[in-house]
Amino acid sequence: RKEVEQDPGPFNVPEGATVAFNCTYSNSASQSFFWYRQDCRKEPKLLMSVYSSGNEDGRFTAQLNRASQYISLLIRDSKLSDSATYLCAVKGTGRRALTFGSGTRLQVQP
Amino acid sequence: GAVVSQHPSRVICKSGTSVKIECRSLDFQATTMFWYRQFPKKSLMLMATSNEGSKATYEQGVEKDKFLINHASLTLSTLTVTSAHPEDSSFYICSARDLGQGAGNTIYFGEGSWLTVV
Repeated sequence: RKEVEQDPGPFNVPEGATVAFNCTYSNSASQSFFWYRQDCRKEPKLLMSVYSSGNEDGRFTAQLNRASQYISLLIRDSKLSDSATYLCAVKGTGRRALTFGSGTRLQVQP
Repeated sequence: GAVVSQHPSRVICKSGTSVKIECRSLDFQATTMFWYRQFPKKSLMLMATSNEGSKATYEQGVEKDKFLINHASLTLSTLTVTSAHPEDSSFYICSARDLGQGAGNTIYFGEGSWLTVV
């Protein structure tokens, strides 16, 4: 089983739609969780950290479910500019590097 | 602006030659940097952890003699792909953590380097 798993998609949604991605992780001792956005042929950019209590940044909401070992990202009122690949990343105990999921591709259509 | 700079952004080399990629932290000192590789439509896979002043720590399956890492200063790590083969063609990307006070352990990524071996 992969350490971090994501549905690769693609998710094709119309503008204005709400879309949610999930990401599961296998190491129950994982400490930190993040969502990154990666545009085609570019480096990943941090979208938001994921906190235990859940957190929101504008149209983006991240949730963490430790019991079921998954994190989620909700995007409301999708914009064309949201089209990208969304990577979840996990940092485990004693491991300084991030482990990434394979990414979920989102395509927002007019 | 970028706080981690990676160079070159694109490089084409012939099979059998070596290519060096540089990763610099611009606004902070990084005792540790990370090198990842990403194949098209795949995830970023950690290759190695670069440690300033000591040997790099390689992930399982990554050949240390093929992917030479040098972290000679607190702001520079280099990855050299030796005796490159077409299957080494990939997107190589570095990252560094800012451990400075108030930085919140933020991880920054370089812009990445596209390597094509012909």
